[in-house]
Amino acid sequence: NAGVTQTPKFQVLKTGQSMTLQCAQDMNHEYMSWYRQDPGMGLRLIHYSVGAGITDQGEVPNGYNVSRSTTEDFPLRLLSAAPSQTSVYFCASSSGAGVVGTQYFGPGTRLLVL
Amino acid sequence: TQLLEQSPQFLSIQEGENLTVYCNSSSVFSSLQWYRQEPGEGPVLLVTVVTGGEVKKLKRLTFQFGDARKDSSLHITAAQPGDTGLYLCAADNYGQNFVFGPGTRLSVLP
Repeated sequence: NAGVTQTPKFQVLKTGQSMTLQCAQDMNHEYMSWYRQDPGMGLRLIHYSVGAGITDQGEVPNGYNVSRSTTEDFPLRLLSAAPSQTSVYFCASSSGAGVVGTQYFGPGTRLLVL
Repeated sequence: TQLLEQSPQFLSIQEGENLTVYCNSSSVFSSLQWYRQEPGEGPVLLVTVVTGGEVKKLKRLTFQFGDARKDSSLHITAAQPGDTGLYLCAADNYGQNFVFGPGTRLSVLP
């Protein structure tokens, strides 16, 4: 099993550009989520999904869109990139929400918005 | 949203020393997890604690959940350079998702 994979590993964008961060898992997990990690602030939840076709907002959803058309994939879209979105983005999956399932994290995408 | 605080923010120690890091909140948690994150990688789950007063041991790591379920500690005995990393606590937001603390960055020098 590859676990949770994320692409790209690094990306530089100009303000106003859009892009999609890809996330895929091969563990047949229903629960997937996107976090951003900034220095001194830990991980903050952007969006999450409890199954295909179901998504919900986390703590910091503004400027980001998600969709979940399959169990395996959970892409994160930046609609119009801003310098405040410079961060490291992590995707995670688990077999259930909360303590029901262990969260497995991908290796992250480091994004720089100029 | 629960606010989690972690202390210390940074810790640098020599190999063989013992250390304790803390995770605190003014709110009661239903459960709490500890993760370790190495540079360039995602966090990896170390332990989940769910019962007030619970103590779990993972080799040289001892995790304790406070009786009131508002705080937790991680104690490392005889630290090794391989323990170096960012230690994150995360509190269960009533089964929907987790809220993470800012982390303690540990450096163990050989």
